[in-house]
Amino acid sequence: QSGLTQPASVSGSPGQSITISCTGTSSDFGSYNYVSWYQQHPGKAPKLMIYDVINRPSGVSSRFSGSKSGNTASLTISGLHAEDEADYYCSSYTSGSTPVVFGGGTKLTVL
Amino acid sequence: QVQLQESGPGLVKPPETLSLTCSVSGVSITSYYWSWIRQPPGKGLEWIGYIYYSGDTNYNPSLKSRVTISVDTSKSQFSLRLTSVTAADTAVYYCVGGRLRRYFDYWGQGTLVTVSS
Repeated sequence: QSGLTQPASVSGSPGQSITISCTGTSSDFGSYNYVSWYQQHPGKAPKLMIYDVINRPSGVSSRFSGSKSGNTASLTISGLHAEDEADYYCSSYTSGSTPVVFGGGTKLTVL
Repeated sequence: QVQLQESGPGLVKPPETLSLTCSVSGVSITSYYWSWIRQPPGKGLEWIGYIYYSGDTNYNPSLKSRVTISVDTSKSQFSLRLTSVTAADTAVYYCVGGRLRRYFDYWGQGTLVTVSS
């Protein structure tokens, strides 16, 4: 496993939708759908937004959705709000030698 | 309400040992998997390892030779020891809980540990 690849930055205007990609190899994802996404505001701890590719924890807005196709997972945020501006990290879990790997993070700017 | 609180020295000299403890409240420590995740200043997240209350552990291979994670169920605490630290170990260290090993539901506020002589 070599880690997951995310774009360094994405941006969008309020009300728009954006998608953040998370690309890995077959060994990064294995045969599992164990991808999670975390939101981190400056100076704060990360917050779980999506788990098992598509599931939202209680309390997370339905504007956040996840998907996966092949070796690329995606986080989509619809109807952007100013407070969505943050860093976003993807993570995968496999039964490999390094069970948990993170992407490098994507900085979302709301214009 | 689940709460996690890290405690330990904010400054460690190389090549000494970094030791942190996480106090867990609001949930039984036997219910979750407990992890340590770190974040160097201005950089991304790195998983260090996890422990289950039974003592089952799994560590990041890149740190495995230097890391020990332990749990004290009587105190609802789990701990991290990282030996032979260098400046590259300077980071915010988060203690984290997950209902399953594959994602992280609850995070402590994080504690900055600086490695410097």
